[in-house]
Amino acid sequence: SYVLTQPPSVSVAPGKTARITCGGNNIASKSVHWYQQRPGQAPVLVIYYDTDRPSGIPERFSGSNSGNTATLTISRVEAGDEADYYCQVWDSYGDVGVFGGGTKLTVL
Amino acid sequence: QVQLQESGPGLVKPSETLSLTCTVSGGSINSFYWSWIRQPPGKALEWIGYIFYNGNTNYSPSLQSRVTISLDTSKNKFSLKLTSVTEADTAVYYCARVVVAGNIDSWGQGTLVTVSS
Repeated sequence: SYVLTQPPSVSVAPGKTARITCGGNNIASKSVHWYQQRPGQAPVLVIYYDTDRPSGIPERFSGSNSGNTATLTISRVEAGDEADYYCQVWDSYGDVGVFGGGTKLTVL
Repeated sequence: QVQLQESGPGLVKPSETLSLTCTVSGGSINSFYWSWIRQPPGKALEWIGYIFYNGNTNYSPSLQSRVTISLDTSKNKFSLKLTSVTEADTAVYYCARVVVAGNIDSWGQGTLVTVSS
């Protein structure tokens, strides 16, 4: 099955830019989606179709996808952005969704 | 706006069958893909499988031999059965709606199921 690899943790100071990567074999050929999960809560979609933001998600959240790496970028990081972030694709071969291992974003 | 709500026992004994139901409100179940996802305590999300509104299903290879997802369109509900559970199946179980892009646009709040004797 398709494997997505994320760094376990990323730390960033308030007001700076956080970049969370998601690696996969030729991931650029797939649509990548990103979710934010705060402790004790269900995940929330923050980016879909690599770069699109659902309504209500701040413009500070953006995404890109190229080669073997997709990236979630959070600009002007705020304390409220501290959460776990998961990337997700649809594995067309296995016809099932696949999540990355998740990245814990810590705001210093 | 569609809402999803999981229900079922919070405690299941080892070797028994875990059964959960997801009630969909604010929208019809007669479209989209409907999925189950789980998250063991402190661990990552894991996709269990999905059912399409026409009844077609597909499951994660790691769970395929133990999982059944079914649909009751008359009650706007879908269900999960996981047989022969072990402590490794202890997790928060989420039901969710999957849209055409393959992403999840609506989640249930999640329900913790503990496998223990």
